[in-house]
Amino acid sequence: AQSVTQPDIHITVSEGASLELRCNYSYGATPYLFWYVQSPGQGLQLLLKYFSGDTLVQGIKGFEAEFKRSQSSFNLRKPSVHWSDAAEYFCAVVPRGSQGNLIFGKGTKLSVKP
Amino acid sequence: EAGVTQFPSHSVIEKGQTVTLRCDPISGHDNLYWYRRVMGKEIKFLLHFVKESKQDESGMPNNRFLAERTGGTYSTLKVQPAELEDSGVYFCASSQNLQETQYFGPGTRLLVL
Repeated sequence: AQSVTQPDIHITVSEGASLELRCNYSYGATPYLFWYVQSPGQGLQLLLKYFSGDTLVQGIKGFEAEFKRSQSSFNLRKPSVHWSDAAEYFCAVVPRGSQGNLIFGKGTKLSVKP
Repeated sequence: EAGVTQFPSHSVIEKGQTVTLRCDPISGHDNLYWYRRVMGKEIKFLLHFVKESKQDESGMPNNRFLAERTGGTYSTLKVQPAELEDSGVYFCASSQNLQETQYFGPGTRLLVL
């Protein structure tokens, strides 16, 4: 079945440590790939997206993600986490040829220890 | 440029009542989407407008939900009558073209008691 999987529901990292949030998808053709973030009390903000081309994508706030076709993955990374990065992170896809509606993973809540 | 706005930010109603949520997309965005997140679940697509036309309403849970987008500008989502399982956060998003970035509003938190 077609799906987006974020295996980690909650992750805690220390401030200054590196971060990797996992995302796997299951679709016949590689979909368009997105990472969104929702800070407390805020709406969803796009961090980065991958449509084609270079498999390492740079986003806002120092985030990057790497598309790996062989693993059907699109993991989000940040080399040094700041306390303000505490939020919920959502991986999402838009299947190619669809009307553009996003299909989301369940989200990963990030806590940052001082 | 103003972002996507949603009203109200919160709504608490009793089972059986009616609630209407409003979304104002970014000016000039033809595509408007509604999504919902119920407690503990993933964000799910409800429907998609292109201008004033419903392009895809496959995600609407049942006929208690009615969405409109008069004149292709703002959109409303009415739930009548509301049930307990309708509680959640309702998000609206807009984009200029298909497959372009969708910009999200802050959401409306609906609680049905």
